[in-house]
Amino acid sequence: GAGVSQSPSNKVTEKGKDVELRCDPISGHTALYWYRQSLGQGLEFLIYFQGNSAPDKSGLPSDRFSAERTGGSVSTLTIQRTQQEDSAVYLCASSSALYQPQHFGDGTRLSIL
Amino acid sequence: EDQVTQSPEALRLQEGESSSLNCSYTVSGLRGLFWYRQDPGKGPEFLFTLYSAGEEKEKERLKATLTKKESFLHITAPKPEDSATYLCAVTMYSGGGADGLTFGKGTHLIIQP
Repeated sequence: GAGVSQSPSNKVTEKGKDVELRCDPISGHTALYWYRQSLGQGLEFLIYFQGNSAPDKSGLPSDRFSAERTGGSVSTLTIQRTQQEDSAVYLCASSSALYQPQHFGDGTRLSIL
Repeated sequence: EDQVTQSPEALRLQEGESSSLNCSYTVSGLRGLFWYRQDPGKGPEFLFTLYSAGEEKEKERLKATLTKKESFLHITAPKPEDSATYLCAVTMYSGGGADGLTFGKGTHLIIQP
């Protein structure tokens, strides 16, 4: 596709359930980034991948959050035992290389009941 | 602590009324400064990258400039379709690999016909 694709676009789930968010980057982009945007807050960086490797996971909010990337392409962000404070828009971005402009998808809006 | 501060938080202009948005940053070792535009329900759309003080970039009615402590996004003769939230973000030289973007909270711009 022409841009970064994220799915689902919206997800409503009950507290305590696990959720999986998917990101399909621009073809050929080696770097992939996850961010979180909460109401009234700025974008918060979570994690990045260079190829399939995530060198620094310290930006993940808690150990309930994990991310992986396979085949240098699609990435998934998993949140286990969701809490209400996890409600936010989760944005994915990709770039042709590290430090190059990042191009964003339209995000997954996650609502925890 | 590295910070990005945008002002004003909100700005309402008449169509054709030029103005400037400010992004000030306090970071140790700026690698690059990025401007994005975000429409409601959408991901940020890349506008400009600036790397060194004195650099300027232009696109249609927008012009971005960079000094050692701040960046300005100048909007000349804006149209209603320029209404959006404008986000500023930075990347920094760090000890390890690539960090994600550090974003300001944005300026919500409304252009009235």
